[in-house]
Amino acid sequence: EAQVTQNPRYLITVTGKKLTVTCSQNMNHEYMSWYRQDPGLGLRQIYYSMNVEVTDKGDVPEGYKVSRKEKRNFPLILESPSPNQTSLYFCASSLGLAGVEQYFGPGTRLTVT
Amino acid sequence: AQTVTQSQPEMSVQEAETVTLSCTYDTSESDYYLFWYKQPPSRQMILVIRQEAYKQQNATENRFSVNFQKAAKSFSLKISDSQLGDAAMYFCAYRSATGTGGGADGLTFGKGTHLIIQP
Repeated sequence: EAQVTQNPRYLITVTGKKLTVTCSQNMNHEYMSWYRQDPGLGLRQIYYSMNVEVTDKGDVPEGYKVSRKEKRNFPLILESPSPNQTSLYFCASSLGLAGVEQYFGPGTRLTVT
Repeated sequence: AQTVTQSQPEMSVQEAETVTLSCTYDTSESDYYLFWYKQPPSRQMILVIRQEAYKQQNATENRFSVNFQKAAKSFSLKISDSQLGDAAMYFCAYRSATGTGGGADGLTFGKGTHLIIQP
């Protein structure tokens, strides 16, 4: 089954404790992206990747890092989480320029206390 | 940069009636895609319908249809015969077709409309 998976689905952590949210897709998509969703703000792009080893900032990159060492994986790293990073996070993938639709993962609910 | 505006934070409709959700966008590009996504309480993002800007014909998917007005930069979603399962957040989204848009093909979302279905 074609899908985007994220882990963990739920995470409660404390300020400053490094964490990684994994994202994996099995559709051989070149393009992958991370979004955060906050009430009243919709979804905003954090980082994106056009292909392996090619990443760039989206609209709200501060406090986040990403890497793209393999085509299927695109982890989101919070080196020192803060309470303002409490949010719902989505990973998405698509075929890039050739693909219209972005496929979304199930979301990760992160709470930073 | 592109912007997407949904001016209705919340809408309510009686079951079996028709409801229209509004969306406007701002762009200087001529080639792009527009989408409506549904987010039920499960939080999964579900694609409802999409529209290619170069197509004049409005997209339709069963009970869901759009009214795409390119000159007015308007993209509304009409849900006919509303069902209880339609209750969700609905997001309008824009994506450049050129590969040079924001986030190099990333989606720009509106803030969403919460749709309530009254039984």
